[in-house]
Amino acid sequence: QQQVKQSPQSLIVQKGGISIINCAYENTAFDYFPWYQQFPGKGPALLIAIRPDVSEKKEGRFTISFNKSAKQFSLHIMDSQPGDSATYFCAASMSGGGADGLTFGKGTHLIIQP
Amino acid sequence: DVKVTQSSRYLVKRTGEKVFLECVQDMDHENMFWYRQDPGLGLRLIYFSYDVKMKEKGDIPEGYSVSREKKERFSLILESASTNQTSMYLCASSTPSIRGGAFFGQGTRLTVV
Repeated sequence: QQQVKQSPQSLIVQKGGISIINCAYENTAFDYFPWYQQFPGKGPALLIAIRPDVSEKKEGRFTISFNKSAKQFSLHIMDSQPGDSATYFCAASMSGGGADGLTFGKGTHLIIQP
Repeated sequence: DVKVTQSSRYLVKRTGEKVFLECVQDMDHENMFWYRQDPGLGLRLIYFSYDVKMKEKGDIPEGYSVSREKKERFSLILESASTNQTSMYLCASSTPSIRGGAFFGQGTRLTVV
C-alpha cells in the first residue's frame, strides 16, 4: 500500500519555465510534508517543508502548495534552471521530530532543458 | 556542517555473506534511519532507532537487522545477503528540533553476486 503517490515520474521543462510536481497522501495522521532533492551520486537533501496548518510556503524559487481537504501537496519551481535538474521526492511524516521516519513518494526525475 | 558518513560508497558481496553497513553522524541526533533506494520505488524505510540500543522495524525489515551501541553510530546488518538485496542503502539522522528534516549520507551501493 503506497501511502504517498507522486507524479509525474519524469518531467522535462524548458529553462525559465515552471516545474510542477504533485503528491497525494492517504494517511490523515501525517503532519509534516518535506520535499527532498537528489543529485546523481548524492544522498537526498531537504529542500523545503510544510505543515498542514499552512496552505503555502515559499522559499526563493521553490513553493509548496498544500490542500488538506484533498490530501494533496505540490512543489512548484519557478524560473527553472538547468541546475535544478535532479530527482525530487515528496515525503510525509507522522511524528513531530521525524522519529518514526519518512514515507517517500517514488520520485520525479526532472530535466531542465537549456 | 552537518554530516552523515557511510563507511563505504560501493560494496560487492557474495550471496550468503554477512554484510555490515556502517553509518556515523556528528550532529548528536537522537534519531537514525536506514533506507534502501531502488529505481521506480523511491526510498523505503528498513529500520530506525530513536535512542541508543533502541530499534524499530520500518516498512521492509525482512532480511535485515540493526545495531545502535552508541548515539552517533547505526549499523545495518544483512545476515545472509541475497541478490534481491542489491540496492542503494541510505542512512539518515534527525532530531526533534528540525521537524521532519532528516539529513542523509551519500549512500552505499551494494551489489550481491
